[in-house]
Amino acid sequence: EIVMTQSPAALSVSPGERATLSCRASQSVRTNLAWYQQKPGQAPRLLIYSASTRATGIPARFSGSGSGTEFSLTISSLQSDDFAVYYCQQYHDWPPMTFGQGTKVEI
Amino acid sequence: QVQLLESGPGLVKPSQTLSLTCTVFGGSISRAGYYWNWIRQPAGKGLEWIGRIYISGSTEYNPSLKSRVTISVDRAKNQFSLKLSSVTAADTAVYYCATSPDLANWFDPWGQGTLVTVSS
Repeated sequence: EIVMTQSPAALSVSPGERATLSCRASQSVRTNLAWYQQKPGQAPRLLIYSASTRATGIPARFSGSGSGTEFSLTISSLQSDDFAVYYCQQYHDWPPMTFGQGTKVEI
Repeated sequence: QVQLLESGPGLVKPSQTLSLTCTVFGGSISRAGYYWNWIRQPAGKGLEWIGRIYISGSTEYNPSLKSRVTISVDRAKNQFSLKLSSVTAADTAVYYCATSPDLANWFDPWGQGTLVTVSS
């Protein structure tokens, strides 16, 4: 099973600032990686797939990069609506498809 | 885009079988090229993929749960279902259904989720 490790566990930022979240895979997943945003009481929402492709309707301030074992999600200018928990997920080697433990972006 | 809605008992006794249904709205569950998944999330914790089914009936399960999980599909009702046997308190979680495209395996969209508590 591929283990996904996210860092940091929590990130404190101010509105308008840039946030960079990291995700590391225990072995190469090529670019078979997705990012999700989850707000309290809601289901996760797909942000990024194939490591760097924004899903439909996702603002351009969200960007993904990386390949192999190292990935990042960048939010270029945080808005109040962006404070949430973010998860990465690999779908290169399965079953099972696996998720990171999440990074909480807080004010 | 389709919408998904989970339903089922919110409370299950230990050692019994958890049963949930996901109803698909706005599209046919029989459409080619999509898988139908179950994912769960214990309170305050991360996400765990449980398994998935294709319209052909082909299934794949998380090895950690495989001995206890059954996923099935009802084309006539546009639904798919999850059964998890011999539950314990560790199975208490919000259970989500979600769809994923074939050959891609990211999850979009998701249902709103339903909380299942295992307690006597």
